[in-house]
Amino acid sequence: EPEVTQTPSHQVTQMGQEVILRCVPISNHLYFYWYRQILGQKVEFLVSFYNNEISEKSEIFDDQVSVERPDGSNFTLKIRSTKLEDSAMYFCASLSTTQKDLYGYTFGSGTRLTVV
Amino acid sequence: QKEVEQNSGPLSVPEGAIASLNCTYSDRVSQSFFWYRQYSGKSPELIMSIYSNGDKEDGRFTAQLNKASQYVSLLIRDSQPSDSATYLCAVNPVDDKIIFGKGTRLHILP
Repeated sequence: EPEVTQTPSHQVTQMGQEVILRCVPISNHLYFYWYRQILGQKVEFLVSFYNNEISEKSEIFDDQVSVERPDGSNFTLKIRSTKLEDSAMYFCASLSTTQKDLYGYTFGSGTRLTVV
Repeated sequence: QKEVEQNSGPLSVPEGAIASLNCTYSDRVSQSFFWYRQYSGKSPELIMSIYSNGDKEDGRFTAQLNKASQYVSLLIRDSQPSDSATYLCAVNPVDDKIIFGKGTRLHILP
């Protein structure tokens, strides 16, 4: 069964450093999402991406964060200057164009980001 | 603000019994409803989706939806120790991103 893959599985970085989280969505999917989950808290929406541009972003998604689809397959989340409060699990998800509003997402295995 | 509310638990259920998990949502126009299972340190795994009022059964799982009461539930029959996890209720308002509840921790007692 097709799956969403994320790398790295765990990233430790110093505060103020840049990190790039990578995702390879399912190949025929066109809608992509990033969510995060701070330890013990709910899964929160960060950003949605369609047709090579951001379609919606949350208030968490500030000007230090960007998303790209650099090569037509990978989907990346970049945090330019990490803060301690960015420590969380980051999940990528994708969805096919068919009946977009009816299907739940397929999530990747996640990247645990630890900012020290 | 669109909200999805769940009792955080833990909910302890003896092995073989029925586990009942509940969820309410605030956005009356929501169309799609999902239950995800999340093991500690892992990503959410979709286990059920429901769109119409009533019950939907899939193996040991039954999802129930009552749009008038803005209420979704998940029943797990013949609970197994491997069902011990956090269950996330998720709601998709029309043409919007999925919103998650905080989850209910379920513990199946051997």
